[in-house]
Amino acid sequence: GAVVSQHPSRVICKSGTSVKIECRSLDFQATTMFWYRQFPKQSLMLMATSNEGSKATYEQGVEKDKFLINHASLTLSTLTVTSAHPEDSSFYICSARDQGRGGPSYNEQFFGPGTRLTVL
Amino acid sequence: AQKVTQAQTEISVVEKEDVTLDCVYETRDTTYYLFWYKQPPSGELVFLIRRNSFDEQNEISGRYSWNFQKSTSSFNFTITASQVVDSAVYFCALIGSGTYKYIFGTGTRLKVLA
Repeated sequence: GAVVSQHPSRVICKSGTSVKIECRSLDFQATTMFWYRQFPKQSLMLMATSNEGSKATYEQGVEKDKFLINHASLTLSTLTVTSAHPEDSSFYICSARDQGRGGPSYNEQFFGPGTRLTVL
Repeated sequence: AQKVTQAQTEISVVEKEDVTLDCVYETRDTTYYLFWYKQPPSGELVFLIRRNSFDEQNEISGRYSWNFQKSTSSFNFTITASQVVDSAVYFCALIGSGTYKYIFGTGTRLKVLA
């Protein structure tokens, strides 16, 4: 259980275009999802917390208008990179909390496989 | 403030050697959770272990073992008889009480040479 998928796994786009990445919890409901960005040879950096039915909470330094997050259902959050530029090229990882779990697993995040974005 | 330190940036070992990856954490919370994840070249984070602050029992799973010591705020990970497939980046992470946010260490890149 607790499987998270991401689509697409890889995307290459031209500079100036927008790219949408989907994050789905396949076998559980997730009121809270998270979006991370990872540069080569670096750790994961939390970009934003996505809350179902409300606005996302962005971390300091993350441009809200650049990285649009929508969490329209309990199983789907999307990250749209608007007007992408080469510096947006990165590995984007989403995760989700299983709200149905209690005990030690309550705060645990389940991670998707990641999306590698390359902007030409 | 909460912090996770993985002082070893990169480790190289020869196959069949044992290797220990260090993780030191800082938190003022009395209840917290510690995790280890493996990130192979494919990029997907693979969950290895979760440990809560009240459970200091060491754990062994096959070739993997973990040593949790609250007295030194450490949660070290040992791979016995390493294999080439163990080559990956390993992340230690912390969640404090009352928060959903992971605090990740900077990761340790392990290279196991044949």
